Amino acid sequence: SQTIHQWPATLVQPVGSPLSLECTVEGTSNPNLYWYRQAAGRGLQLLFYSVGIGQISSEVPQNLSASRPQDRQFILSSKKLLLSDSGFYLCAWSSYSNSPLHFGNGTRLTVT
Amino acid sequence: RKEVEQDPGPFNVPEGATVAFNCTYSNSASQSFFWYRQDCRKEPKLLMSVYSSGNEDGRFTAQLNRASQYISLLIRDSKLSDSATYLCAVNGGGYQKVTFGTGTKLQVIP
Repeated sequence: SQTIHQWPATLVQPVGSPLSLECTVEGTSNPNLYWYRQAAGRGLQLLFYSVGIGQISSEVPQNLSASRPQDRQFILSSKKLLLSDSGFYLCAWSSYSNSPLHFGNGTRLTVT
Repeated sequence: RKEVEQDPGPFNVPEGATVAFNCTYSNSASQSFFWYRQDCRKEPKLLMSVYSSGNEDGRFTAQLNRASQYISLLIRDSKLSDSATYLCAVNGGGYQKVTFGTGTKLQVIP
């Protein structure tokens, strides 16, 4: 069966520090991969999605970037965090277009 | 107009009640629709996909109305454990992009 791993679960980082969140999927090949962010009390904001290695679609221009160095690995990065980057970051995968998304446990990021 | 819109609630209903949520979407080319459940401080979990003919899973029924561009979720015989936020999700813009509504909070009261 397919599983998705996302780490760390919680993170506290100072403003201006870099960020790297990693997500890996097991048990499937060539998944669609997604990064969402959920600010406190808000909905899910799509940040990036990828349909293959090296292919990234960005939905919101900001100081975040994403990379997909391997088929089942998706990384979210920032060179300098802002206070507004605080939130609940969720990685998700789907097996093909029109199939449902399945989420990792999320990373709760607090920028201080 | 937002791509996907939901009434944020909260919906406070007594145990055993029937409650319905609607979700409207703006992209008429959208092909797939889903309902998710999200508990406090947890990741969303797939509740059910929504098919054109409508579908049912136990106490939960999902419907799609393409003409009016909305999907609905009906929960019958509400349980305390149904208390959560319910998110609708719609694909569009090339089918890989999946947009979520802001969620509707349900509180089932004893």
